[in-house]
Amino acid sequence: DAKTTQPPSMDCAEGRAANLPCNHSTISGNEYVYWYRQIHSQGPQYIIHGLKNNETNEMASLIITEDRKSSTLILPHATLRDTAVYYCIVRVADTGNQFYFGTGTSLTVIP
Amino acid sequence: DTAVSQTPKYLVTQMGNDKSIKCEQNLGHDTMYWYKQDSKKFLKIMFSYNNKELIINETVPNRFSPKSPDKAHLNLHINSLELGDSAVYFCASSQVRNSGNTIYFGEGSWLTVV
Repeated sequence: DAKTTQPPSMDCAEGRAANLPCNHSTISGNEYVYWYRQIHSQGPQYIIHGLKNNETNEMASLIITEDRKSSTLILPHATLRDTAVYYCIVRVADTGNQFYFGTGTSLTVIP
Repeated sequence: DTAVSQTPKYLVTQMGNDKSIKCEQNLGHDTMYWYKQDSKKFLKIMFSYNNKELIINETVPNRFSPKSPDKAHLNLHINSLELGDSAVYFCASSQVRNSGNTIYFGEGSWLTVV
């Protein structure tokens, strides 16, 4: 599976959009981009995933560049409850391939 | 109903003991996992089972033995517990779909070895 690079930490003002970047320059054509987050003392939580096209759900939007070498997770109106570690993972959608978690980005939403 | 549930949530035990952590998923998924998160918060895959068969074993000491009685359950048994086994253990499950599969995690089991 391709490796990802994320900034170790970010701050965001409450109510503003949080834009979390991820670089995955060695991504393969059949690898999806997944985003998870882990709120303190809880299990990791699925947010969103995509292959080529931008995706949006009730939690967030995922913007994938045309060359697929990077992506951005957007939380449109960050709240204090969005404070968490956010993980960007790339992997092939196959049962033999695992979700390898890196160090992620620790997002702190500031009141 | 909780999708992936694991018990116990907290476990404090002495070195040398044998303990088990149980995991059940009600999502109908065919793949289950155990992850370990240590004090540095790094989340690392330990095992992966697909339809009750072991498919991934990531350099885990053989004191750790997963058991999958059916595809909805994956239990983790640990023999001769050591101080370094203290960590949070997460169970998870997933199902392959054409649109890519997602993995769902339990709430974790906090193991402290004293």
